Amino acid sequence: DIQMTQSPSSLSASVGDRVTITCRASRGISNYLAWFQQKPGKAPKSLIYAVSSLQSGVPSKFSGSGSGTDFTLTISNLQPEDVATYYCQQYYNYPLTFGGGTKVEIK
Amino acid sequence: QVQLQESGPGLVKPSQTLSLTCTVSGGSITRGGYYWSWIRQFPGKGLEWIGYIYYSGSPYYNPSLKSRVTISIDTSKNSFSLKLTSVTAADTAVYFCAGEDRTGIPPPGTPYWGQGTLVTVSS
Repeated sequence: DIQMTQSPSSLSASVGDRVTITCRASRGISNYLAWFQQKPGKAPKSLIYAVSSLQSGVPSKFSGSGSGTDFTLTISNLQPEDVATYYCQQYYNYPLTFGGGTKVEIK
Repeated sequence: QVQLQESGPGLVKPSQTLSLTCTVSGGSITRGGYYWSWIRQFPGKGLEWIGYIYYSGSPYYNPSLKSRVTISIDTSKNSFSLKLTSVTAADTAVYFCAGEDRTGIPPPGTPYWGQGTLVTVSS
């Protein structure tokens, strides 16, 4: 299985800040990398697919980058509604695997 | 817009079989390039992919669960189901059904999720 390692596991930032979450795959996954946002009691919501493509309706404050094994999710202008846990996922190989999550809070 | 809804018992006794159904609306379950999956989330929040079924092919299971899992599809009801045998407390989780879109270059991944259903394994 491909292991996905996210960091940090949690972060606290101020309203208006730009935050960055990283995800590392245990081996190359081409561009088959997705990011999800999950709020308490809800299903994960797909934000980004193929490293940097936004799902329909997702605001441009979310952006993704990276290649090979190292990937980044950036949230610009952090707002209270962005408080959530964010997960990366590789869909290059089955079984699909997820990172451990990054909990984003407002300072 | 494709929507998914899980249904099934919220409490299962140890050693018994967990059974869930996912009903798909807003699109046909036989749509080409769509793979219908089950994913679970443990109380500690980790996510585990269980397996998928495609309308015209054999299911594929996570090797970690393969001996206990069966995923089947009912095209007449536009639904698919999960059975997990010999459950223990370690199978307590929120179970999500999801739709993975493998069409397009690059493929969009897993944009469709049910709301999830908590299944507790306890006597």
